[in-house]
Amino acid sequence: QQQVKQSPQSLIVQKGGIPIINCAYENTAFDYFPWYQQFPGKGPALLIAIRPDVSEKKEGRFTISFNKSAKQFSLHIMDSQPGDSATYFCAATPRAGNNRKLIWGLGTSLAVNP
Amino acid sequence: DAGVIQSPRHEVTEMGQEVTLRCKPISGHDYLFWYRQTMMRGLELLIYFNNNVPIDDSGMPEDRFSAKMPNASFSTLKIQPSEPRDSAVYFCASSFKAGNTEAFFGQGTRLTVV
Repeated sequence: QQQVKQSPQSLIVQKGGIPIINCAYENTAFDYFPWYQQFPGKGPALLIAIRPDVSEKKEGRFTISFNKSAKQFSLHIMDSQPGDSATYFCAATPRAGNNRKLIWGLGTSLAVNP
Repeated sequence: DAGVIQSPRHEVTEMGQEVTLRCKPISGHDYLFWYRQTMMRGLELLIYFNNNVPIDDSGMPEDRFSAKMPNASFSTLKIQPSEPRDSAVYFCASSFKAGNTEAFFGQGTRLTVV
């Protein structure tokens, strides 16, 4: 059962565009929502993360928007660059002690054309 | 720190053979995770450890898979006997107990079972 649904599966934008990747979850116990970036041949690396007490978080050109009532969160990449071409994964983890089990979306392959 | 170190980077084996994947987590990290990544199923958590103790192995596909963590600096994932459907990239990741739940991934082991 896919508990975190990610869309789109793939995305192509021109340099300078603003790709948006969306994720939806069902479990209201989730309280930590990271985005990971993965380049070919590498492991995923944390890009940015948010907790549900805020609606938006920015780090450089990357922004997470969070809608708690809709149980949705999205990643926006401002002024996208060819170097941003990678696969992006959203994830979520539930509240509860030392639980560290991340539930992952299936990923979005982003291509930024020069 | 050199990060999470996995070996081998690539493994090609024949169906029915035993395969052992190795991982050295980042020093001081309390959690260790084993993931499997395929195009069809994305990132799947197989098992994770806290202080060398397996916490959740519900993602281990079947009895052919086993994982151990004999000490804080070493873990293995073993597949015996291997099957072609086990072909995937296997990632090891580690994280701290306290603070945020960022997982640091290794470079992965690409396993091909022929």
